Amino acid sequence: KQEVTQIPAALSVPEGENLVLNCSFTDSAIYNLQWFRQDPGKGLTSLLLIQSSQREQTSGRLNASLDKSSGRSTLYIAASQPGDSATYLCAPANQAGTALIFGKGTTLSVSS
Amino acid sequence: ETGVTQTPRHLVMGMTNKKSLKCEQHLGHNAMYWYKQSAKKPLELMFVYNFKEQTENNSVPSRFSPECPNSSHLFLHLHTLQPEDSALYLCASSQESGANTGELFFGEGSRLTVL
Repeated sequence: KQEVTQIPAALSVPEGENLVLNCSFTDSAIYNLQWFRQDPGKGLTSLLLIQSSQREQTSGRLNASLDKSSGRSTLYIAASQPGDSATYLCAPANQAGTALIFGKGTTLSVSS
Repeated sequence: ETGVTQTPRHLVMGMTNKKSLKCEQHLGHNAMYWYKQSAKKPLELMFVYNFKEQTENNSVPSRFSPECPNSSHLFLHLHTLQPEDSALYLCASSQESGANTGELFFGEGSRLTVL
């Protein structure tokens, strides 16, 4: 059964710092991996989707990498801003199942 | 506007009530999902529908009954719930499920409180 772990669980930084959020998963047989953000009490917003054949994806200040063989993905946030404060979730799509499996997320707080 | 709309956004019900959550997607997708999000826990997959057929039931108690009349609509019928069922219920959609799962899009969720 796929298990997803995200480290750290929480992170507080001053504005302007570059950040790395880590995601590890136990079953490397995946189709893709998706990163989301969730604001308190809200639904999830898709940030980046990496196919299993890709090594990384970029969108603006966000860069996600995938090392499928070692079961790891990282989300890099450049020049963090207070508006980046949210919970960030990673979710691989297993070949063994039909849906994404989620970690508990990293709660990020960026102070101005 | 996320393309996935959930109603109601908030629901309070007693343990003997019957209510339904509704989800509608305007993205032309063929797969729809129900997830449950409780405090301090990861999102838990409940049900998956692909082309209106249920492809996954993640050992969900029978007091939760899903219905998918077409690829655009998904319902979660609720009856005789327990207080521990209080949670945020999230609906999502994607192009398909399984090997052709693309990007997943979520609704804003329905916050359920069971008294």
